[in-house]
Amino acid sequence: DAMVIQNPRYQVTQFGKPVTLSCSQTLNHNVMYWYQQKSSQAPKLLFHYYDKDFNNEADTPDNFQSRRPNTSFCFLDIRSPGLGDAAMYLCATSGDRSSGANVLTFGAGSRLTVL
Amino acid sequence: DQQVKQNSPSLSVQEGRISILNCDYTNSMFDYFLWYKKYPAEGPTFLISISSIKDKNEDGRFTVFLNKSAKHLSLHIVPSQPGDSAVYFCAARGNSGGSNYKLTFGKGTLLTVNP
Repeated sequence: DAMVIQNPRYQVTQFGKPVTLSCSQTLNHNVMYWYQQKSSQAPKLLFHYYDKDFNNEADTPDNFQSRRPNTSFCFLDIRSPGLGDAAMYLCATSGDRSSGANVLTFGAGSRLTVL
Repeated sequence: DQQVKQNSPSLSVQEGRISILNCDYTNSMFDYFLWYKKYPAEGPTFLISISSIKDKNEDGRFTVFLNKSAKHLSLHIVPSQPGDSAVYFCAARGNSGGSNYKLTFGKGTLLTVNP
């Protein structure tokens, strides 16, 4: 009964070949996040959606895009992956802050390798 | 510029003893702090949290202490068990505008509990 599901768990791509990572949730949470985590580094927020409102972090490269077609799904598109984009990509969700729920629930992650 | 710092990359303790994991932050606007635990090949899972209006929160073997004046928090695990071996992330939440929904993470501390 996984609540935040990420696919694929492992993705290998070639330098410059576009990649899409997906995330689905069964929690009906308003907010969905994408974090990038490189080895031995802190997870770094790329962007988040509050419902359909997209919120990009100021230092997220244009190479990274996201789509949220409905409440349950969110996608991370990397248009032209470089070697420096190899990382674990973590999707997370949270409920509306007003409800008191602001704990993020994470998926298992998608590990991206760029050759 | 890291706003959440976990200065110890690793910690090793004996089973049954206390584990103390430390975290420092620089942003005085953070109002809520969380600890996450991460096993290999899994996403981070929520462990315990504390609001900035409190200085202690306890949940079973886990206690989090917050010292606002020092901008420091710590996670105590007593008694430590081998199953507690994991990476522990400290995270903090802002309290204004778009930062309401964002968590800033530290780099994590790898805890190893030896039988």
